[in-house]
Amino acid sequence: ILNVEQSPQSLHVQEGDSTNFTCSFPSSNFYALHWYRWETAKSPEALFVMTLNGDEKKKGRISATLNTKEGYSYLYIKGSQPEDSATYLCAPDTGRRALTFGSGTRLQVQP
Amino acid sequence: DVKVTQSSRYLVKRTGEKVFLECVQDMDHENMFWYRQDPGLGLRLIYFSYDVKMKEKGDIPEGYSVSREKKERFSLILESASTNQTSMYLCASSSGGLNEQFFGPGTRLTVL
Repeated sequence: ILNVEQSPQSLHVQEGDSTNFTCSFPSSNFYALHWYRWETAKSPEALFVMTLNGDEKKKGRISATLNTKEGYSYLYIKGSQPEDSATYLCAPDTGRRALTFGSGTRLQVQP
Repeated sequence: DVKVTQSSRYLVKRTGEKVFLECVQDMDHENMFWYRQDPGLGLRLIYFSYDVKMKEKGDIPEGYSVSREKKERFSLILESASTNQTSMYLCASSSGGLNEQFFGPGTRLTVL
């Protein structure tokens, strides 16, 4: 089983704070890295798919970077809003069709 | 609008019952997946299928089986439900390429 670690496990921030979390994964057999957002009572939704070392992706106030050589990805949220409250999951793709998900970072943004 | 649907949002079963969880996708995706989600453990892969009648074990297949008779439908079967199978079950589908997965709403199963 692929070892995927996400930190921190949970995070409480105030509205307007910027925050970031980490996803660590084995750097061998790397194909792509996925980030998903999972809001309570909803289905997980894809945020980003990154494939190249040094990749940076951005969607509104959320951005992500990828380092495939050392096996990590950072997700940043600038100026957190209550609607950003969710669990953020990362999942490396080693080309086997199925993804292995980390246990997630649960973010709560207080108004 | 792409869609993955699951047959039930909530299900309560008794120990020893045979349980069927159904998943249907309308995106003509080749790949379909079953996960379970438990607090602190994230999404763990039970089984996946990459074609009709084809299946592969995931990371925690024990106590489960699957069936894929049609491309759009993937069923998870608990042959004899046990209390440790109480969990949230999520179905997903993807096509090739970047393998972005689309998830259903989940079924919260309670086994008494």
